[in-house]
Amino acid sequence: DTAVSQTPKYLVTQMGNDKSIKCEQNLGHDTMYWYKQDSKKFLKIMFSYNNKELIINETVPNRFSPKSPDKAHLNLHINSLELGDSAVYFCASSLGIPVGYTFGSGTRLTVV
Amino acid sequence: GIQVEQSPPDLILQEGANSTLRCNFSDSVNNLQWFHQNPWGQLINLFYIPSGTKQNGRLSATTVATERYSLLYISSSQTTDSGVYFCAAPTGGGNKLTFGTGTQLKVEL
Repeated sequence: DTAVSQTPKYLVTQMGNDKSIKCEQNLGHDTMYWYKQDSKKFLKIMFSYNNKELIINETVPNRFSPKSPDKAHLNLHINSLELGDSAVYFCASSLGIPVGYTFGSGTRLTVV
Repeated sequence: GIQVEQSPPDLILQEGANSTLRCNFSDSVNNLQWFHQNPWGQLINLFYIPSGTKQNGRLSATTVATERYSLLYISSSQTTDSGVYFCAAPTGGGNKLTFGTGTQLKVEL
């Protein structure tokens, strides 16, 4: 199936731990994104990569580090997790300027 | 940056009813997208609609770019239409979407 797939779907971890979320798309898109959805459902961009190059880095703490090994993959590593990092993280992809925006199913991160 | 506001914030409908959701944006945009987030959290792209009107089944969307708003029409609503509807506009040179605050829709039997 063509899709944006991200793993894991759920992640429960203790404060201070380091965790990673992986994302892969097989749609042939050249741009990938990480969005954060808070408890009030507000969606906000975190990062965007175009052909493995970082093009958007919003005001995100440097504990968050994205990595794109190739244009089909965009991973998110989070160091020293804090309670406020609890949210749903969505990966998305598009072809160039956001046309055909496709989201992954989300990763619900809970920091305890 | 651009501000994207949606109304109403919450809406409850009886199955079979029609509704209109509104999205206002503070600056000119060259495209506007509508998304549906179902109760399981999945975000689905409904429309890419920079201007004019598009229809897809019971859903249709209209964007009046010169007046900076877009409307999403849902006709003959069904319980499966429940969820949150977001509009989003490109910013930052078009490389990211700024999402509105969403309309939470609940369709009851």
